[in-house]
Amino acid sequence: DGGITQSPKYLFRKEGQNVTLSCEQNLNHDAMYWYRQDPGQGLRLIYYSQIVNDFQKGDIAEGYSVSREKKESFPLTVTSAQKNPTAFYLCASSRTAGNQPQHFGDGTRLSIL
Amino acid sequence: DAKTTQPPSMDCAEGRAANLPCNHSTISGNEYVYWYRQIHSQGPQYIIHGLKNNETNEMASLIITEDRKSSTLILPHATLRDTAVYYCIVRVAFEAGANNLFFGTGTRLTVIP
Repeated sequence: DGGITQSPKYLFRKEGQNVTLSCEQNLNHDAMYWYRQDPGQGLRLIYYSQIVNDFQKGDIAEGYSVSREKKESFPLTVTSAQKNPTAFYLCASSRTAGNQPQHFGDGTRLSIL
Repeated sequence: DAKTTQPPSMDCAEGRAANLPCNHSTISGNEYVYWYRQIHSQGPQYIIHGLKNNETNEMASLIITEDRKSSTLILPHATLRDTAVYYCIVRVAFEAGANNLFFGTGTRLTVIP
């Protein structure tokens, strides 16, 4: 079935460690997004990419990095510079034409050891 | 993106129609109304969207008032699996820079057996 796969579902990070969250989609969507959700709050945009080899910062990009080497993949690295990384991370994708909605993966929950 | 107002919570009996309201009195002419839902610890699920005409798909119906200042999402026969937080979002169609989805606090729908 077509969809967005995020892995792992749960991830633990030690202090000072970088971790990478995986996001893969087989929907043939050009645009991909990373959001962060904190308890009881809405989504905040971290990075987005409209096309391969190009990406833009969202509202809270500090302490995060991304790459878009393939259309179907948009991994997110949470670096040690991100001082409050504990959150639920959501990846989404969409077509870039008109009013197409974003479709989401099931998320990765990141916690600090 | 226009601000939306939704009731914080609603109950609905199983098998009955669930009608979820959303006010978006400052909506612009080129902004669409999108509905998503989120079940605990999962990614948001796209439900339906529209501009000014009423829309229906296999999941729900969307009724938009003629002045577009409010809308109602209708789940025709609610089941226990419809228990979730429902988000109403208004935004322009995809364009460079307008990629964020502003999820407010939504409506927590509880379907009662």
